[in-house]
Amino acid sequence: GAGVSQSPSNKVTEKGKDVELRCDPISGHTALYWYRQSLGQGLEFLIYFQGNSAPDKSGLPSDRFSAERTGGSVSTLTIQRTQQEDSAVYLCASSVWTGGDYGYTFGSGTRLTVV
Amino acid sequence: SQKIEQNSEALNIQEGKTATLTCNYTNYSPAYLQWYRQDPGRGPVFLLLIRENEKEKRKERLKVTFDTTLKQSLFHITASQPADSATYLCALDPGGYNKLIFGAGTRLAVHP
Repeated sequence: GAGVSQSPSNKVTEKGKDVELRCDPISGHTALYWYRQSLGQGLEFLIYFQGNSAPDKSGLPSDRFSAERTGGSVSTLTIQRTQQEDSAVYLCASSVWTGGDYGYTFGSGTRLTVV
Repeated sequence: SQKIEQNSEALNIQEGKTATLTCNYTNYSPAYLQWYRQDPGRGPVFLLLIRENEKEKRKERLKVTFDTTLKQSLFHITASQPADSATYLCALDPGGYNKLIFGAGTRLAVHP
């Protein structure tokens, strides 16, 4: 697609429920990243995919968080047994792995509210 | 500890002036540094990348400098416009495989 697409754009869930957040990266971008941004805060790295592999999961806050990527394309971030502290904007980005001038292309994010 | 620091206070300037934003880092040796713009409710947008062997890079009204001795990058917007009002984030790659660590950002407000 023309840009990185994330769905849903907003999600309100009850504490204890599971949620799935979807990211559809730019076609051909082999690298995909998930970040979390709390209100007024910077971006917190969660996980990085190169193709379907996740060489760096170091940012996942707890074992309630997991992510997968299939077909080198769409990625899903799953949060189990959501807690109020999980409320944040979850941002997905993709990039081309080249040696030239490149940056991330971000989606608009999913705003998650746990009530 | 490793840190990326950007001025947390908002920068307020008059239209037409040059805005200068600062990014300082400690205990990193990045191969490159990037700058992004973020508007409310949107994801960050990539602006510029500067490599460790480049002192300065320009794109239209934007200029970025990178001093690896001072561990500092400066981001300049010349002839600023109200439309430049946004939060600007710096980011660096500590590991060399394009996993970016972001600063908290500086909010810029350009007044007519």
